[in-house]
Amino acid sequence: QVQLQESGPGLVKPSETLSLTCTVSGGSISSYFWSWIRQPPGKGLEWIGYMYSSGNTNYSPSLKSRVTISVDTSRNQFSLRLRSMTAADTAVYYCARGVAYSSIVFDPWGQGTLVTVSS
Amino acid sequence: QSALTQPASVSGSPGQSITISCTGTSSDVKYVSWYQQHPGKAPKVIIYDGRFRPSGVSNRFSGSVSGNTASLSISGLQAEDEADYYCTSFTAYSTLFGGGTKLTV
Repeated sequence: QVQLQESGPGLVKPSETLSLTCTVSGGSISSYFWSWIRQPPGKGLEWIGYMYSSGNTNYSPSLKSRVTISVDTSRNQFSLRLRSMTAADTAVYYCARGVAYSSIVFDPWGQGTLVTVSS
Repeated sequence: QSALTQPASVSGSPGQSITISCTGTSSDVKYVSWYQQHPGKAPKVIIYDGRFRPSGVSNRFSGSVSGNTASLSISGLQAEDEADYYCTSFTAYSTLFGGGTKLTV
């Protein structure tokens, strides 16, 4: 079965760029919407964006100016870059596979990684 | 895409049934998915496209859509159902999460 695992720094300084990687195991990275979702401590879920394996991307309007999602099919990984980090970006970051039905359904998810923005 | 509104909390006793609502525009809720999230865990999809259950999800969970409201119903409440529940909409290749509902059993 497909499993996802996030990796990256747990602490980022204000104004710096966050880089996270999600490694996909047990399946191909082709033909899905590879997604990032975050959750500030004690708050709800926020969709960040996704990249289809063809290279098309779609980002949350509120984050679009700061986000880049990319896919490395040779490594079965996809990545998130979020620029100009502030304390408001402190959250658990999840990667997920987006499966197309009439909508895009996130399944499965990684376990999540906490990223704290602090000097 | 407009906001998806969920009640902040609902509660029920073991064995009872509850319903969680998710209100938006009719186009936003047409293909709603529902996710269950236990504390400290990643969310898990329990309903997609308004009313379909993924393989392995208990048939105690059911979804429906009427007008501008999607609903998640849970019958025969069990202690393990205590969790946060989120609805999501998908329009114009963009995803929006509802604010979440905390279910207390």
